[in-house]
Amino acid sequence: ILNVEQSPQSLHVQEGDSTNFTCSFPSSNFYALHWYRWETAKSPEALFVMTLNGDEKKKGRISATLNTKEGYSYLYIKGSQPEDSATYLCARSPTGANNLFFGTGTRLTVIP
Amino acid sequence: DTEVTQTPKHLVMGMTNKKSLKCEQHMGHRAMYWYKQKAKKPPELMFVYSYEKLSINESVPSRFSPECPNSSLLNLHLHALQPEDSALYLCASSQATTGYRVGYTFGSGTRLTVV
Repeated sequence: ILNVEQSPQSLHVQEGDSTNFTCSFPSSNFYALHWYRWETAKSPEALFVMTLNGDEKKKGRISATLNTKEGYSYLYIKGSQPEDSATYLCARSPTGANNLFFGTGTRLTVIP
Repeated sequence: DTEVTQTPKHLVMGMTNKKSLKCEQHMGHRAMYWYKQKAKKPPELMFVYSYEKLSINESVPSRFSPECPNSSLLNLHLHALQPEDSALYLCASSQATTGYRVGYTFGSGTRLTVV
């Protein structure tokens, strides 16, 4: 995998459902993996930054895991709410310098 | 203050115009970034400034000219743009040496349309 890839591109879930999506990235030259939440017309908001293989982070109903050896990260949302509707972006730092490379995002819509 | 402020929010410019985008932060961050995002594409890194010096230029055409006059302000000067340069331009900031493992703070972007 040369670039950061996210799947699915879009997702519709019912309120109360739990959901997850995937970020895949090259497993070589890895320094950090970022997740951002981006609501329309607002600023992308940092959710998590993970650097170690096996890292798990949690923020309320949202959690993320990281597997650097196989090059993927999962984002989980438990009990989705309409306010969770947003685009979720992941980004990889390949060098430890300040250059993040982003995926195209997963657009989540939570239906009340 | 924990925000990155970008102005203007929307800009329409002709191909012969000169305009500037502005980005400001007061969090003491010493790294600032310009990203460009076209529809259905990931944000693409354009420039990185670290301690007010240009540290990364991702082969951006010279019609885009960045400037970092002080540690709080980042400008992007635009001249002789093409319609394909129409995009959302995002500014971000971070700690200079640890931003990659701490996270960035983004502005909400300037929606640029070149006519």
